[in-house]
Amino acid sequence: DIQMTQSPSSLPASLGERVTISCRASQGISNNLNWYQQKPDGTIKPLIYYTSNLQSGVPSRFSGSGSGTDYSLTISSLEPEDFAMYYCQQDASFPTFGGGTKLELK
Amino acid sequence: EVQILETGGGLVKPGGSLRLSCATSGFNFNDYFMNWVRQAPGKGLEWVAQIRNKNYNYATYYAESLEGRVTISRDDSKSSVYLQVSSLRAEDTAIYYCTILWVYWGQGVMVTVSS
Repeated sequence: DIQMTQSPSSLPASLGERVTISCRASQGISNNLNWYQQKPDGTIKPLIYYTSNLQSGVPSRFSGSGSGTDYSLTISSLEPEDFAMYYCQQDASFPTFGGGTKLELK
Repeated sequence: EVQILETGGGLVKPGGSLRLSCATSGFNFNDYFMNWVRQAPGKGLEWVAQIRNKNYNYATYYAESLEGRVTISRDDSKSSVYLQVSSLRAEDTAIYYCTILWVYWGQGVMVTVSS
């Protein structure tokens, strides 16, 4: 299985701040990397697919980049609704998720 | 509008079994692969199983950690997918989510394994 290592596990940040979450795969995944947001009520929202493509309705302050084994999610200016859990996921082979990043208000 | 509803969760004794259902509407179910993902309390997301569509002979795939204890199936006439889990253990306690294309997700159904 491909292992996904996500960092940091916790990210305190302020409104308006730019933040980046990283995800490293144990082997190359050819850009088959997706990002999700999960709210405290459990609702899962897809954000980005295939490394850098925004899902429909996702604000443009979210962006994704990367290649090979290293990928990242950037939020350019944090809004109140952005404080949540974030997960990366590879689907180059049997899907695996990163351990998650809790984005919390500083 | 795509709708997804998972049902069938509840409290089960260790060693027991459970069948989860995921009813969908609002899209052409027959065209798509379906996945189950679970989340143990306070933990991250874990892929459980996938079933492909008729074009792929309904091929099924399972997470190694669950292989042998889970069976995924689908009924295209009902736009539904199912997950049978047997020999349940405490570590199977989780919310189980059904997802289409990794885009549409249900609200999840809770499974608690406890004596």
